[in-house]
Amino acid sequence: AQSVTQLGSHVSVSEGALVLLRCNYSSSVPPYLFWYVQYPNQGLQLLLKYTTGATLVKGINGFEAEFKKSETSFHLTKPSAHMSDAAEYFCAVSEGGYQKVTFGTGTKLQVIP
Amino acid sequence: EPEVTQTPSHQVTQMGQEVILRCVPISNHLYFYWYRQILGQKVEFLVSFYNNEISEKSEIFDDQFSVERPDGSNFTLKIRSTKLEDSAMYFCASIRGGLQETQYFGPGTRLLVL
Repeated sequence: AQSVTQLGSHVSVSEGALVLLRCNYSSSVPPYLFWYVQYPNQGLQLLLKYTTGATLVKGINGFEAEFKKSETSFHLTKPSAHMSDAAEYFCAVSEGGYQKVTFGTGTKLQVIP
Repeated sequence: EPEVTQTPSHQVTQMGQEVILRCVPISNHLYFYWYRQILGQKVEFLVSFYNNEISEKSEIFDDQFSVERPDGSNFTLKIRSTKLEDSAMYFCASIRGGLQETQYFGPGTRLLVL
């Protein structure tokens, strides 16, 4: 069985500060890992994904995430927060690509001017 | 830029009624998905569809649910007899090919069952 834990349902950062959103996963097989973003009143957007290979994954809008197998983590980072980054972020895991994805409960990111 | 569209954006229905949620995936995409998000809760995978058949489905996707690609462009989710707990935002998504491709989501249909 697979699961995802996102630490912190709400995170606030100042504009220009580092963004760090935490995600830990559990999977019985090598996982596929995803980060999605949901802007207010909009659908989901895939930020980045880890499948195999390089453990540091770069995504859209300057975000990146690092797969750490020993820590079962896939934390999302961005060096400098922008006001437009305010949204809800979901970490997700699957054992079979985009199919049967299990989502975390989400982290709402607030960016303070 | 191509996008996934969904209709209607909002639907209100009475418990026990059938609803059909419609999605138009990006035209050259081959894999299609439905997810739902109950208000205040996490996103849940419902079903994936490829080559005119279901490839995976979750425990939520019981006999009350069905999917169809009736005409090569639309991808529909039918709920046969709605329950109060089916009230949620339903998202459609599609990808062109394998995992290396980006998954694109529609804006969602908000379903309210009274």
